[in-house]
Amino acid sequence: DADVTQTPRNRITKTGKRIMLECSQTKGHDRMYWYRQDPGLGLRLIYYSFDVKDINKGEISDGYSVSRQAQAKFSLSLESAIPNQTALYFCATSDPSGTGAAEAFFGQGTRLTVV
Amino acid sequence: AQSVTQPDIHITVSEGASLELRCNYSYGATPYLFWYVQSPGQGLQLLLKYFSGDTLVQGIKGFEAEFKRSQSSFNLRKPSVHWSDAAEYFCAVGARGAGNMLTFGGGTRLMVKP
Repeated sequence: DADVTQTPRNRITKTGKRIMLECSQTKGHDRMYWYRQDPGLGLRLIYYSFDVKDINKGEISDGYSVSRQAQAKFSLSLESAIPNQTALYFCATSDPSGTGAAEAFFGQGTRLTVV
Repeated sequence: AQSVTQPDIHITVSEGASLELRCNYSYGATPYLFWYVQSPGQGLQLLLKYFSGDTLVQGIKGFEAEFKRSQSSFNLRKPSVHWSDAAEYFCAVGARGAGNMLTFGGGTRLMVKP
C-alpha cells in the first residue's frame, strides 16, 4: 500500500459544486501539504499543516479550504468549484531532520475536472 | 522568496545519449535542492537532494546533479539515457528554516527517441 494515499484518483464535477479531496498517510509525519499542478507552472502550494492545530495558507489558497482531521488525514475542499480549478492535485508529507531539511513524499495525485 | 527556473520545457534525446536538465534558483542563502521525477499517471518520486557538503550529488536510476553556488544552478545529468527515463522532471528549492515548503520549477518533459 502507498504511504500517501489520495482519494479519489479522478473526479469530474460541475461548476458550483462543493468537492472534497482526501489524503491519508501512514508515514507518521506531522507535516502535510496540498499542491496543485498545472502544465508549465510546476507545483504550487495551496495549504500546509505542521500539526493538527496548525494550518497555513500557501501561495494559491483562494477558493480552497482544508481540514486536518488527524495527524494522518488532511482534506482539501473546493467550496464552489470553477473551471480554472481543473488541475492535478497532490498531497505530500515531510518529516524534517535535525538539519531542518526534508524531502517531501507525494501521493499519486487526484485529477480534477470542473465542467 | 525563493524561485526556481527550468529553462527547457521539452527536451528530446536519443536513447544512449547523455542528458543534462537545467535548473536555476533564486534564494538568498544556501538552499535545500531537490530533483523529482513524475512518470505518466504517477506521483513525484525523489531522484536526489542536496543539503550541504559535496556539491556533486548521486541519486537513484543513475542520475547525478551538481550544485554550483556561483551560478545558482543545480543541473541534473545522466551519462546514458534509457527509454524508461521519459518523464517530467521537476527541480525544487526549500528554504532553510521555512518549514520545508518546496518551491518547484515549471518542469521539463523528457522524450527519448529509440
